[in-house]
Amino acid sequence: SYVLTQPPSVSVAPGQTARTTCGGNNIGSKSVYWYQQKSGQAPVLVVYDDSDRPSGIPERFSGSNSGNTATLTISRVEAGDEADYYCQVWDTTSDHPKVVFGGGTKLTVL
Amino acid sequence: EIQLVQSGGGLVQPGRSLRLSCAASGFTFNEYAMHWVRQVPGKGLEWVSGISWNSDGINYADSVKGRFIISRDNAKNSLYLQMNSLRVEDTALYYCAKDRWSNQDRGWLDPWGQGTLVTVSS
Repeated sequence: SYVLTQPPSVSVAPGQTARTTCGGNNIGSKSVYWYQQKSGQAPVLVVYDDSDRPSGIPERFSGSNSGNTATLTISRVEAGDEADYYCQVWDTTSDHPKVVFGGGTKLTVL
Repeated sequence: EIQLVQSGGGLVQPGRSLRLSCAASGFTFNEYAMHWVRQVPGKGLEWVSGISWNSDGINYADSVKGRFIISRDNAKNSLYLQMNSLRVEDTALYYCAKDRWSNQDRGWLDPWGQGTLVTVSS
């Protein structure tokens, strides 16, 4: 089965840039989706198709994907960005496609 | 506005059954695949199951295959998860989520329901 690896935590000061990664075998050949989950809330999509933003998501959120690593970048971090961030891909190696999530990264705003 | 309103969670003994429901509104339900995702409190997201727009495509995580059954009623704009032979390790917050597409092999999950807690304990 396909495995996605995320660092457990990232810390950044307000106004700085936060980057979190999502590692997977040749993940660059897949479309990657990123979700933000604030405490006590359901996940919200923040990046789709590697680098596109849904309407209503600030331009400060961006993504990239190449080789074995996808990256979510949050520029000019704000206190309200503190949350858990999950990457997601589809595992289509069998006749029964499966959604795969990374373990999540907790972003702490110092 | 798209809304997914969940119901049906609760406390259940190991080995028993429970059925979750997800009522959809604000979009053409019968045009989209739907999913169930669960989350143990304090832990990460785990995909549970997905169903295509017409129920022809159904997939399960290995952890629930043979015990859980996903279904949908397009006439009622509703998604269901029948959970049988429940185990303590099935204790989690269960979310329903809308797929971007009608079938399951690509796309993102958005939006998500509010979640419903299932607690399996004796």
